[in-house]
Amino acid sequence: GQQLNQSPQSMFIQEGEDVSMNCTSSSIFNTWLWYKQDPGEGPVLLIALYKAGELTSNGRLTAQFGITRKDSFLNISASIPSDVGIYFCAGQRAGGTSYGKLTFGQGTILTVHP
Amino acid sequence: DGGITQSPKYLFRKEGQNVTLSCEQNLNHDAMYWYRQDPGQGLRLIYYSQIVNDFQKGDIAEGYSVSREKKESFPLTVTSAQKNPTAFYLCASSIRGSDLREQYFGPGTRLTVT
Repeated sequence: GQQLNQSPQSMFIQEGEDVSMNCTSSSIFNTWLWYKQDPGEGPVLLIALYKAGELTSNGRLTAQFGITRKDSFLNISASIPSDVGIYFCAGQRAGGTSYGKLTFGQGTILTVHP
Repeated sequence: DGGITQSPKYLFRKEGQNVTLSCEQNLNHDAMYWYRQDPGQGLRLIYYSQIVNDFQKGDIAEGYSVSREKKESFPLTVTSAQKNPTAFYLCASSIRGSDLREQYFGPGTRLTVT
């Protein structure tokens, strides 16, 4: 199955810095989701996006559904130590055979130094 | 509290043995999914079920089997035919047939086969 191209693969930042990560695809998506996964745990949904151009915030997190419907971005402002973890993007491709199925990016490992 | 439970958290088996992973949800979701996660990789879909008594193969179904006899339960059997069964297995669920395509994950089961 197709994987989304998520970048960067890892980030090492100082507490208080802002973070940006993105996912891109050659296919059109009708849904973009962003998850955070702590070590040894299941992913937790952070933000869901359903419309091209949509910009949604959840506390210090902001995500956008790209206008082309082939990409999405996640920003974290003023990072804190508990932001450490793996961030995944996931999308549902437009088209009937993809109904209910998500495609995941490889993840961005975030490390925050106090 | 509504949620998804997976048991056990850690599972150890000898090569050549079949093993069944449990997944139960009380969210009243119609759709359920099984994913496999390997270190440094995203999630790959094994099987999914949109409704009771129906399920579909995902991207990496070989060596796995599932059943969906009840809405709340979607057990996954890792058979001896699976060549590399050691991995972190995640179960998820979602509402079927709506515009909401968000999937919610359980805590995962780490399977080690030696």
